[in-house]
Amino acid sequence: QQKVQQSPESLIVPEGAMTSLNCTFSDSASQYFAWYRQHSGKAPKALMSIFSNGEKEEGRFTIHLNKASLHFSLHIRDSQPSDSALYLCAVSIGNSAGNKLTFGIGTRVLVRP
Amino acid sequence: NAGVIQTPRHKVTGKGQEATLWCEPISGHSAVFWYRQTIVQGLEFLTYFRNQAPIDDSGMPKERFSAQMPNQSHSTLKIQSTQPQDSAVYLCASSSSTGEDTQYFGPGTRLLVL
Repeated sequence: QQKVQQSPESLIVPEGAMTSLNCTFSDSASQYFAWYRQHSGKAPKALMSIFSNGEKEEGRFTIHLNKASLHFSLHIRDSQPSDSALYLCAVSIGNSAGNKLTFGIGTRVLVRP
Repeated sequence: NAGVIQTPRHKVTGKGQEATLWCEPISGHSAVFWYRQTIVQGLEFLTYFRNQAPIDDSGMPKERFSAQMPNQSHSTLKIQSTQPQDSAVYLCASSSSTGEDTQYFGPGTRLLVL
């Protein structure tokens, strides 16, 4: 059964700094990797996803995937107070979001002005 | 596009009562997922449908939980004989079949079993 773990559990960063979040997974057959963000009391919302090894950048957000290490990460450049939220990583054996996702328990991020 | 709609937003039941949760996926989306979120366990997969057919219910607690998708516009999650440990936020999500790599979540139903 897929195990997904996130680190750190929580993080406080100053405004303008880089936020770095980590996710490890157990099943080497995994094909789809994503980060979701959940503001307090709101629904999780997808940030980015990646399918193959390497890096993908969208605006201030960058996702890195290393399948051999069973690890992927999210980096947020120039962090803003509005980035304060619970960040969830998600993994699927399937090759798209049209399949069951296994989530980590989350990293709670607080960006201080 | 109204997004994924879930009703009710909050539900309080007594131990042993039945709870039915409703989900209306985004129009045109072929896959519908149910998840449960608690502080301790995080976001856990329960079950999902594709084109109304049940695909995987491996996360469903046995006996008391059931899910149906009678038509493409709604799905229900029914919990019989609710227990305090069923208290959680139940989230429904939908995704399209066109390769779009996102599941869209509804706002959730917060269930409290007293």
